[in-house]
Amino acid sequence: ELKVEQNPLFLSMQEGKNYTIYCNYSTTSDRLYWYRQDPGKSLESLFVLLSNGAVKQEGRLMASLDTKARLSTLHITAAVHDLSATYFCAVLKGGSQGNLIFGKGTKLSVKP
Amino acid sequence: KAGVTQTPRYLIKTRGQQVTLSCSPISGHRSVSWYQQTPGQGLQFLFEYFSETQRNKGNFPGRFSGRQFSNSRSEMNVSTLELGDSALYLCASSGDLSSYNSPLHFGNGTRLTVT
Repeated sequence: ELKVEQNPLFLSMQEGKNYTIYCNYSTTSDRLYWYRQDPGKSLESLFVLLSNGAVKQEGRLMASLDTKARLSTLHITAAVHDLSATYFCAVLKGGSQGNLIFGKGTKLSVKP
Repeated sequence: KAGVTQTPRYLIKTRGQQVTLSCSPISGHRSVSWYQQTPGQGLQFLFEYFSETQRNKGNFPGRFSGRQFSNSRSEMNVSTLELGDSALYLCASSGDLSSYNSPLHFGNGTRLTVT
């Protein structure tokens, strides 16, 4: 059974600091996604990672994928308050196009 | 290009009633998936439709059903509502398998409250 674990589940950061969110998954998958969710809102796509060693960056966020270790990381550089949100990683279940297994999410709070 | 549209945004129902939620995918997308989000269980997959056929189903009771129409619009139905069905229901669409690098695009969701 495919399981996705994120840690930490809660993260309180000061502005300007760096931190990393970890996402481990239990079985092989073709794709790994990172999403952001603001309170009361829907899921906004951040990154799609396909292959081993993939690295993608957008602004202060950088995501990487190690398929051998079944690990993805989301690195936050010089955090700002606007990054406060819940971040989810999700892994595509084999044989499907829309069946994502989500982690429980990391609630990030960036304080001045 | 319009995004994924879900209606209604909010619903309040009573236990035992049934409810139908609607989802219009991004134009050209033929795959539609539904998810339930609750504080306790997080985001859970309900089902996936492609070209009017259900391709995958999550671990939910038979009270949860769905369908997809020829224009790719999808509906999900929940019968005999229970208090535990209160949740945010999210619909997501994606292109065909050749759009390998594309994410699932989520709608704004329908917030269902069962009293």
